[in-house]
Amino acid sequence: GAGVSQSPSNKVTEKGKDVELRCDPISGHTALYWYRQSLGQGLEFLIYFQGNSAPDKSGLPSDRFSAERTGGSVSTLTIQRTQQEDSAVYLCASSLGWDRDAFFGQGTRLTVV
Amino acid sequence: AQRVTQPEKLLSVFKGAPVELKCNYSYSGSPELFWYVQYSRQRLQLLLRHISRESIKGFTADLNKGETSFHLKKPFAQEEDSAMYYCALKITSGSRLTFGEGTQLTVNP
Repeated sequence: GAGVSQSPSNKVTEKGKDVELRCDPISGHTALYWYRQSLGQGLEFLIYFQGNSAPDKSGLPSDRFSAERTGGSVSTLTIQRTQQEDSAVYLCASSLGWDRDAFFGQGTRLTVV
Repeated sequence: AQRVTQPEKLLSVFKGAPVELKCNYSYSGSPELFWYVQYSRQRLQLLLRHISRESIKGFTADLNKGETSFHLKKPFAQEEDSAMYYCALKITSGSRLTFGEGTQLTVNP
């Protein structure tokens, strides 16, 4: 595809349920990032993958959050036992490398009710 | 830890007027600074980076290390400039971007 693709675009879930958010990076991009965009909070870094290196998970807000990247391409962000404060837009970005410009997806708007 | 501050959440100007979106940062080393823009219902995209010293869509930004600022400026605002603007910082050899909270710019006709 021409850009970073995220699915679903919108997700409404009940408090306590688990959700999975998917990111398809630009082909050939070795670096992949997840950010969270909350109302009035700006963009908050969550996790970063670079090639086969161990991911930088330092931005994950709690152990309910996890992410994986299979085969160096598609990534899934999983939130277990969702809480209302998890409601936000989750953005994925990819780049050719850590020192190259990042391209963002359209985001997944998560609403926990 | 590094930090980016955008003091104005909302900024409104008239078409043709100059506009300046403020960005201040705190970081003890030499960072890379960026401006990202998000137009309505579009994805976040890079507008410009300080190392390129370029002008994009009439916007410029100069890194002032003494004042730790990277303000975004345009001499004559256009209605199509209305968008959310984020200032972001990347530390030396770092990978992640640290974003400010954003400024919503509205250019009125």
